[in-house]
Amino acid sequence: GDSVTQMEGPVTLSEEAFLTINCTYTATGYPSLFWYVQYPGEGLQLLLKATKADDKGSNKGFEATYRKETTSFHLEKGSVQVSDSAVYFCALRSGTGANSKLTFGKGITLSVRP
Amino acid sequence: KAGVTQTPRYLIKTRGQQVTLSCSPISGHRSVSWYQQTPGQGLQFLFEYFSETQRNKGNFPGRFSGRQFSNSRSEMNVSTLELGDSALYLCASSPGQNTDTQYFGPGTRLTVL
Repeated sequence: GDSVTQMEGPVTLSEEAFLTINCTYTATGYPSLFWYVQYPGEGLQLLLKATKADDKGSNKGFEATYRKETTSFHLEKGSVQVSDSAVYFCALRSGTGANSKLTFGKGITLSVRP
Repeated sequence: KAGVTQTPRYLIKTRGQQVTLSCSPISGHRSVSWYQQTPGQGLQFLFEYFSETQRNKGNFPGRFSGRQFSNSRSEMNVSTLELGDSALYLCASSPGQNTDTQYFGPGTRLTVL
């Protein structure tokens, strides 16, 4: 079945540091890939997505490129801020109809210190 | 547009009881999905409803059930609660079935004592 693997956390960075969060996936066919973010006490928000190979999703300074050859969708940001502290989830959606559902990774907690 | 709302936000129950959680999707959205979030298992898909019909179901026991009403509001029910059912239950809505982007509510925190 489908699965998403995220790097182990938590991750603690200083403000303005470079961020990379690794995500790899296993799926049949050509899934759509997503990064969701969960701020403390809130539900998940879509951060960015990519629907086909070599697509780059971007939002709020975050980027991720759909790499089919390495089955990866790593999240990057050049300069993190304290306000980026949250839990980040990589997810995929494959299949159609009744077989289609979102599959999430376990999430990784990012803490950014001033 | 108002976002996805879930009620109640917090709930405390004891083992053996049953509980009903409610989700109101974004206006115009017809698909509602439910997820269970726990520290150990992460986010796990429970079920998805579209136009009052369950379209997809995750690997949860029959104690977990749901339904969707004609106005797209959805409820999920958990019977015979177990300690392991303590979790954050998230509801997400989207305009149609298989729409890529889902919009999540803040969740209902269920604690089973």
